[in-house]
Amino acid sequence: GAGVSQSPSNKVTEKGKDVELRCDPISGHTALYWYRQRLGQGLEFLIYFQGNSAPDKSGLPSDRFSAERTGGSVSTLTIQRTQQEDSAVYLCASSFGTGGYTFGSGTRLTVV
Amino acid sequence: AQSVTQLGSHVSVSEGALVLLRCNYSSSVPPYLFWYVQYPNQGLQLLLKYTSAATLVKGINGFEAEFKKSETSFHLTKPSAHMSDAAEYFCAVSEANAGKSTFGDGTTLTVKP
Repeated sequence: GAGVSQSPSNKVTEKGKDVELRCDPISGHTALYWYRQRLGQGLEFLIYFQGNSAPDKSGLPSDRFSAERTGGSVSTLTIQRTQQEDSAVYLCASSFGTGGYTFGSGTRLTVV
Repeated sequence: AQSVTQLGSHVSVSEGALVLLRCNYSSSVPPYLFWYVQYPNQGLQLLLKYTSAATLVKGINGFEAEFKKSETSFHLTKPSAHMSDAAEYFCAVSEANAGKSTFGDGTTLTVKP
């Protein structure tokens, strides 16, 4: 597609529920990233996929967080047993080479 | 390991004045450096990048940044601020060819009429 597409744009969930966030990167971009942005804070790295290599999961904050990327394209970030501290904007980005990231508009997650 | 420090979480300038947003980085290998901008109610977009070519990099909307290895800095400047420049600006560093970027905490630029 023309840009990075994320869905849903907003998600309100009850504490303890599982959520899935979706990212559709730019076609042909080999790298895909997930970041988290809490209110008034910078971007916190979560996970990075590059081609067929094993993902860099070093930023995932706990084992409640997982992500997969199917067919080198669409990615899903799953948060199990959500907690209030998981409330944030979850940003997906893709890139090709050293060109810098193209970001999606994000998913605003609110855990109540 | 890499890190980014943006000095000043809020910067306020008058319309027409010089804009200077500061960024210092730490990297154990030659870095790639980026500035991103987030306008109100919009997503992040790439403003400019340094990837080991010319040290003075020009970006969109009249912004430029200079890579200074001796000072480990990559400050963002614009000679004359416009009201439409009001946004949050993020500096980011990645190790060359490593893909993953580390972001600063951001600087909110306010432009006064």
